[in-house]
Amino acid sequence: EAQVTQNPRYLITVTGKKLTVTCSQNMNHEYMSWYRQDPGLGLRQIYYSMNVEVTDKGDVPEGYKVSRKEKRNFPLILESPSPNQTSLYFCASSSTRLDTQYFGPGTRLTVL
Amino acid sequence: GENVEQHPSTLSVQEGDSAVIKCTYSDSASNYFPWYKQELGKRPQLIIDIRSNVGEKKDQRIAVTLNKTAKHFSLHITETQPEDSAVYFCAAPGRKYSGGGADGLTFGKGTHLIIQP
Repeated sequence: EAQVTQNPRYLITVTGKKLTVTCSQNMNHEYMSWYRQDPGLGLRQIYYSMNVEVTDKGDVPEGYKVSRKEKRNFPLILESPSPNQTSLYFCASSSTRLDTQYFGPGTRLTVL
Repeated sequence: GENVEQHPSTLSVQEGDSAVIKCTYSDSASNYFPWYKQELGKRPQLIIDIRSNVGEKKDQRIAVTLNKTAKHFSLHITETQPEDSAVYFCAAPGRKYSGGGADGLTFGKGTHLIIQP
């Protein structure tokens, strides 16, 4: 089954404790993105990747890192999480940036 | 980068009536305009998209129109049904820098569509 998976689905952590949210797709897509969703602000792109080893900042990259060592995986790293990073995070993938984006199930992160 | 404005933020319509959601964008080079639907507690899913070489696209009860001169595009849902209740997002790609390379997708803030029985 074609899908995008994210783990964990729910995470409660404390300020400053490094964490990684994994994202994996099995559709051989080149383009992958991370978004955060906050009430009233919609979906905002954090980082995107056009292909392996090619990543670039989206609209709200501060406090986040990503890597794309393999085509299928695109982890999101929070080196020192802060409470303002409490949000719902979605990973997405598509064949190109101008094609249907397939979203993962979301990760709800709470930083205390 | 691209700036996408979406209106209204909330739209309540009677079941069976039509609903229209409008988005404007800023980058004249944008050439792909998708619409996503997000049901409560679920992930966003594409419902329809349009590319800049056409002015209108239909898929059963939903349609999207594009006016490149005015830089706006709209989602039209006819004969609304309870299952149409959701948050709808428009999006557009853009260039990060004027004349520069590709950028990611920028989404509107969303429209909460409520279908009244």
